[in-house]
Amino acid sequence: KAGVTQTPRYLIKTRGQQVTLSCSPISGHRSVSWYQQTPGQGLQFLFEYFSETQRNKGNFPGRFSGRQFSNSRSEMNVSTLELGDSALYLCASNDGQGSYGYTFGSGTRLTVV
Amino acid sequence: GDSVTQMEGPVTLSEEAFLTINCTYTATGYPSLFWYVQYPGEGLQLLLKATKADDKGSNKGFEATYRKETTSFHLEKGSVQVSDSAVYFCALNAYNQGGKLIFGQGTELSVKP
Repeated sequence: KAGVTQTPRYLIKTRGQQVTLSCSPISGHRSVSWYQQTPGQGLQFLFEYFSETQRNKGNFPGRFSGRQFSNSRSEMNVSTLELGDSALYLCASNDGQGSYGYTFGSGTRLTVV
Repeated sequence: GDSVTQMEGPVTLSEEAFLTINCTYTATGYPSLFWYVQYPGEGLQLLLKATKADDKGSNKGFEATYRKETTSFHLEKGSVQVSDSAVYFCALNAYNQGGKLIFGQGTELSVKP
């Protein structure tokens, strides 16, 4: 069974640009969550999508957005990039039952210069 | 709000030593509790979980017991190996919060031969 796939693995962008990250969940999983990991703030929840609807949202500015497609693949977009957006972005998928744990992808390392 | 507190690292142990990483939480209701492990350059891997009070999660020699009276979920292993060197995260999934995981700050473990 294929795991959670995130693309690309690495990205370098310039301040002010926008970026789109992709996440393909485990087959059959309908929930996809996104997290930002930085040395200073640790792991912070961005948002969760379930069956193409945003089900939960963390405390991030509106520059961070996402969506989910009918095949459960999800994309995350960050507009007007800032230096502080440099981080490892992780996505996780689940069959919809949070208590059973989430399977994480390897992440996308975003560097903003 | 809900939160997770882990003992600070880094923790350095000799091979075959006993490991304890403390984790306490604050949450309303009855959250599910998890331990995740992150190896360098990788995403998070679910190590073990517990969904109700007094449950014991176990995997690969690691154990943790859900203690509601002390709001704790301490990770233990009787004999660590060099290959256990990684960062360990305690996390909770609160009831009615969908896919939102709240993580502790992580504890880096280094095991020396």
